[in-house]
Amino acid sequence: DQQVKQNSPSLSVQEGRISILNCDYTNSMFDYFLWYKKYPAEGPTFLISISSIKDKNEDGRFTVFLNKSAKHLSLHIVPSQPGDSAVYFCAAATQTSYDKVIFGPGTSLSVIP
Amino acid sequence: GAGVSQSPSNKVTEKGKDVELRCDPISGHTALYWYRQSLGQGLEFLIYFQGNSAPDKSGLPSDRFSAERTGGSVSTLTIQRTQQEDSAVYLCASSLAGRGTQYFGPGTRLTVL
Repeated sequence: DQQVKQNSPSLSVQEGRISILNCDYTNSMFDYFLWYKKYPAEGPTFLISISSIKDKNEDGRFTVFLNKSAKHLSLHIVPSQPGDSAVYFCAAATQTSYDKVIFGPGTSLSVIP
Repeated sequence: GAGVSQSPSNKVTEKGKDVELRCDPISGHTALYWYRQSLGQGLEFLIYFQGNSAPDKSGLPSDRFSAERTGGSVSTLTIQRTQQEDSAVYLCASSLAGRGTQYFGPGTRLTVL
């Protein structure tokens, strides 16, 4: 039973446009969410996080939105660049167990020049 | 500073042989994780260490898999009597206790022939 879901295995976006990657979770105890980015042959790298006390967190071109009532979060990349092409993993944790992070299956983003 | 390192980067072995994968976490990180990523799949949690103890071994797929951590630092993941379905990239990550952000190593690509 997947607690963190990323229903789109892949996404293609034109350079300069917005990329929106979606993530849904089932465990209402999750209160800390993270996005990781992974290039081929490398380990995932932390991108951005959000606590459940917020509904938005922004860092440069990357913004994460959290809708707790819908158990949904999304990552927006604006404007998208070819270097953003990678696999993006959504992850979630609970306040009582920050060290146990559950990862989604990932979405492969391709930004077309 | 130095990141998480893993060795070997690639390992090819024959079915039935034992393999050992090594992870050196970031200095001072008390939490250490092992994941694996099979071809086309997401990150599958294997085991988590807090210091030298493993409070969560729930992800180990069979009793052929074991892991240990010594001195609160280096960890070794051992797979006995390898099977072809063990072929995957094995990723190690570390984090400060109580923080959700994990820092990943580059992974070990295991191929079982």
